[in-house]
Amino acid sequence: DAKTTQPPSMDCAEGRAANLPCNHSTISGNEYVYWYRQIHSQGPQYIIHGLKNNETNEMASLIITEDRKSSTLILPHATLRDTAVYYCIVRVKLGGKLIFGQGTELSVKP
Amino acid sequence: SQTIHQWPATLVQPVGSPLSLECTVEGTSNPNLYWYRQAAGRGLQLLFYSVGIGQISSEVPQNLSASRPQDRQFILSSKKLLLSDSGFYLCAWSVRQGADEQYFGPGTRLTVT
Repeated sequence: DAKTTQPPSMDCAEGRAANLPCNHSTISGNEYVYWYRQIHSQGPQYIIHGLKNNETNEMASLIITEDRKSSTLILPHATLRDTAVYYCIVRVKLGGKLIFGQGTELSVKP
Repeated sequence: SQTIHQWPATLVQPVGSPLSLECTVEGTSNPNLYWYRQAAGRGLQLLFYSVGIGQISSEVPQNLSASRPQDRQFILSSKKLLLSDSGFYLCAWSVRQGADEQYFGPGTRLTVT
């Protein structure tokens, strides 16, 4: 599975969009980009995933660059409850294991 | 709906004592099951995964073992705990064969003293 690189921490003002970047320059053609988040002392929570097209669900949007070497998770209107560590993971969809890196610690401030 | 349970929520055990953590899943059949450990608050490490009863794959050599005596039950064990076994242990499940998502339990915080 390809390795990902994320900034260790980010701040965001409440109500503003939070844009979390992820680099995955060694991603292969059959690998998907997944995002999870972990609120303090809880288990991780799935957010969204994508292959090459941009994706949106009720939680977030995922923008993947055309060369697929990087992506951005967008929380359109961040709230205090979005404060968490966000993990970007690249893996093969069928049977691929989740390998969690250090993630980005997002702090949403009032 | 599906739910995943882990117990106990917290545990303090002396070095050299045995360990048994239990995870059960409700509302689904034939899930893939996983044990992760998280040390120092960041970065989960996959310890074991199981695709069926009695089928366990170990990801890293360690002082722990796992068993799956029933379809929706996953147990993490140790005969003698080490200080380095302290951490946050998370159980997760996914639908077999190509699930997009893994669903995590609430975790067990283990402190070995």
